[in-house]
Amino acid sequence: QKEVEQDPGPLSVPEGAIVSLNCTYSNSAFQYFMWYRQYSRKGPELLMYTYSSGNKEDGRFTAQVDKSSKYISLFIRDSQPSDSATYLCATPNSGYALNFGKGTSLLVTP
Amino acid sequence: DAMVIQNPRYQVTQFGKPVTLSCSQTLNHNVMYWYQQKSSQAPKLLFHYYDKDFNNEADTPDNFQSRRPNTSFCFLDIRSPGLGDAAMYLCATSRAQAGYEQFFGPGTRLTVL
Repeated sequence: QKEVEQDPGPLSVPEGAIVSLNCTYSNSAFQYFMWYRQYSRKGPELLMYTYSSGNKEDGRFTAQVDKSSKYISLFIRDSQPSDSATYLCATPNSGYALNFGKGTSLLVTP
Repeated sequence: DAMVIQNPRYQVTQFGKPVTLSCSQTLNHNVMYWYQQKSSQAPKLLFHYYDKDFNNEADTPDNFQSRRPNTSFCFLDIRSPGLGDAAMYLCATSRAQAGYEQFFGPGTRLTVL
């Protein structure tokens, strides 16, 4: 079983829609949960991270962690065409490696 | 702007011909990483440096080597590239205290003919 599982999509939504992106993870010891955004032909950039359980909001983006079900989510409100990218969830292991999900490809159409 | 720079952005090499990819950073971070990302797959960590200490992932092939001559620069050497090594190679950096927050360069796309 992979450390982090993520549905690769693709996911296509109209502009203004609420987007929900989800991952599951296997190791209950994980404490940090990150969302990276990767535009085509670019490196990933950290969008936001949460520590332990709960929600974190940053503008139109909300990250949510449910440790009881080992489920992490990213919600995008009022989605824009500029949000079209691949979204990768990640958790750090005991060292410095990040366990990435495969990424979900999102397309927001005008 | 502080950043992570990778050169070249695109590299074409022949089967078995050694190639070196370079990464530099202006963030002054202790830790530098090399990831391999194949199409539609998650980035996979090859190795990382904590200052001058080299840390190899257990499943990284011997064909991949790295050098970090100073804080700012790190190189990825592929000694004998095979067709299966064609991928995007991503360099990243982080502070030692915040390994969860990694800053990535734009990547080098390697093609092996």
